[in-house]
Amino acid sequence: AQKVTQAQTEISVVEKEDVTLDCVYETRDTTYYLFWYKQPPSGELVFLIRRNSFDEQNEISGRYSWNFQKSTSSFNFTITASQVVDSAVYFCALSGFNAGKSTFGDGTTLTVKP
Amino acid sequence: GAVVSQHPSRVICKSGTSVKIECRSLDFQATTMFWYRQFPKQSLMLMATSNEGSKATYEQGVEKDKFLINHASLTLSTLTVTSAHPEDSSFYICSADDRGSEKLFFGSGTQLSVL
Repeated sequence: AQKVTQAQTEISVVEKEDVTLDCVYETRDTTYYLFWYKQPPSGELVFLIRRNSFDEQNEISGRYSWNFQKSTSSFNFTITASQVVDSAVYFCALSGFNAGKSTFGDGTTLTVKP
Repeated sequence: GAVVSQHPSRVICKSGTSVKIECRSLDFQATTMFWYRQFPKQSLMLMATSNEGSKATYEQGVEKDKFLINHASLTLSTLTVTSAHPEDSSFYICSADDRGSEKLFFGSGTQLSVL
């Protein structure tokens, strides 16, 4: 069975601080995909990144960066110089080939205060 | 980019009535769509996989006669909550897999409140 653990239920930071959201996963599959999604108060999930299990390169996209450590089964997400608009619930997810059948973590609610 | 449209965004109904939720992929064809349920401050739980032209595949514990799914075309899937009861009140979200971009796109969700 697959499992995704986001240990941080809620995080609160002040604008311009850096913040890291943790994600630890469990799977017996050798090929799998990891995702991060953002869910703002409006409710719609926004795709942020997809990473396959064979690609351990870290990725940076603007203020966002992701650290994939297969050895520790972690896929952490860092927001640099956080902004109020980053306030949302962030979900980490794990799937096989079919992304729609992902196992989601419980989410981390990030609040960025001005 | 690809967009998934979900309607209605909010619906309030009386107990015992049926409610239909639509999910459309606007600029790509989706042979497979997915339906999730999300309780307040909780994660998404996959309810079923909607397959164009065939029966939906339901996750364990989800009543297929309660949650009717129809995927009539490559761009439209519908979820009908039949004989809704207050315990069916929840946030329902659909998604569609754009294989071309390897991304999963989500609808904006439907908040169902059953009185």
